[in-house]
Amino acid sequence: SQKIEQNSEALNIQEGKTATLTCNYTNYSPAYLQWYRQDPGRGPVFLLLIRENEKEKRKERLKVTFDTTLKQSLFHITASQPADSATYLCALDISGNQFYFGTGTSLTVIP
Amino acid sequence: GAVVSQHPSWVICKSGTSVKIECRSLDFQATTMFWYRQFPKQSLMLMATSNEGSKATYEQGVEKDKFLINHASLTLSTLTVTSAHPEDSSFYICSATQGGGVQPQHFGDGTRLSIL
Repeated sequence: SQKIEQNSEALNIQEGKTATLTCNYTNYSPAYLQWYRQDPGRGPVFLLLIRENEKEKRKERLKVTFDTTLKQSLFHITASQPADSATYLCALDISGNQFYFGTGTSLTVIP
Repeated sequence: GAVVSQHPSWVICKSGTSVKIECRSLDFQATTMFWYRQFPKQSLMLMATSNEGSKATYEQGVEKDKFLINHASLTLSTLTVTSAHPEDSSFYICSATQGGGVQPQHFGDGTRLSIL
């Protein structure tokens, strides 16, 4: 069956450290993978997109990697801040018009 | 830019009522809109994909007669939950993409639906 799993439902990290979130998938062949941030009671907000032929993408303190052999994406937040506390979702873009979301990881950055 | 407005933000109604949720792209034309359902502490479950002027494509297990989707213009899509029952209570979120090619999704802030 098709699955998109993200590491541990909740992740606590000390302020200033690097948070690393994982997204593993099975039985999909995504052309693109996206990461979103969701705050309680709000809709997700787009953060980064990475294509299947890209290994790494960066945006300010954010970095995403995409390994199609391992079927895994890693999402890093460097110099984490309490304001980074939120739920982070990965989404697989199968054909440019079909999106399937992972289970989400709730990140808490402790001051 | 790329703002999506969803209305209402929450609704409480009696069992058997039909409820309409609107999703509007305020500053762009949305070629495709998506409807999701999210249960507490769970991820978004894609319900259907709609393109302006054509019938929505529903995901497996989603009843098209129960969840009516209309995408009449490039800035508006509606989801109507017909004859809602308590098990339909959930958080419904829409999103929209603009243009062709690879695009991020722009989400509304969701509608909290509670059926008594």
